Amino acid sequence: SQQGEEDPQALSIQEGENATMNCSYKTSINNLQWYRQNSGRGLVHLILIRSNEREKHSGRLRVTLDTSKKSSSLLITASRAADTASYFCATDAEDNFNKFYFGSGTKLNVKP
Amino acid sequence: DVKVTQSSRYLVKRTGEKVFLECVQDMDHENMFWYRQDPGLGLRLIYFSYDVKMKEKGDIPEGYSVSREKKERFSLILESASTNQTSMYLCASSTARVPDTQYFGPGTRLTVL
Repeated sequence: SQQGEEDPQALSIQEGENATMNCSYKTSINNLQWYRQNSGRGLVHLILIRSNEREKHSGRLRVTLDTSKKSSSLLITASRAADTASYFCATDAEDNFNKFYFGSGTKLNVKP
Repeated sequence: DVKVTQSSRYLVKRTGEKVFLECVQDMDHENMFWYRQDPGLGLRLIYFSYDVKMKEKGDIPEGYSVSREKKERFSLILESASTNQTSMYLCASSTARVPDTQYFGPGTRLTVL
């Protein structure tokens, strides 16, 4: 499968700590995206990183991409209880750049 | 503000029924997608459409069909619902620009009894 795989499957931290989630994928990509899903809701886009970029920041989010290792990480700094959600990486398909493959997600629980 | 709406949040149907799930986007997006989400399996693409009346199979199209008669509306049809189609169904849309993000609806939790 071309799907990305997130690691860990679940993560529990205290408010104020940093949270790191990893994503590994199998084939070459052009773009990788991270999405967030609150319980029982649709996904919301967080950040997109292109294959020629190594790092990208957005507020408290930092995403890295290592195409040689076919992996990406999402760091959330100074986490808040409101960051409690599932986080998914999505990689584009080689045959269709509009088509994305989603992993099974990391479930983050931030305890107040 | 970008908006993708789905016709129902929760739906309960019986085995063998024909089920219609509707998705509407108000952003004039060319691409629309249907996914199903199951625990431990992530999101799996059922069908997507890149233009009116155009469609492509995703990874798990069996047991499903789709219809896109108007640009803003993409329907997922379960011809004869089965219990293994009990799932969360998510619709998304995006522009034809590459790359682009996908905008998701709130999801429909379908239970087939």
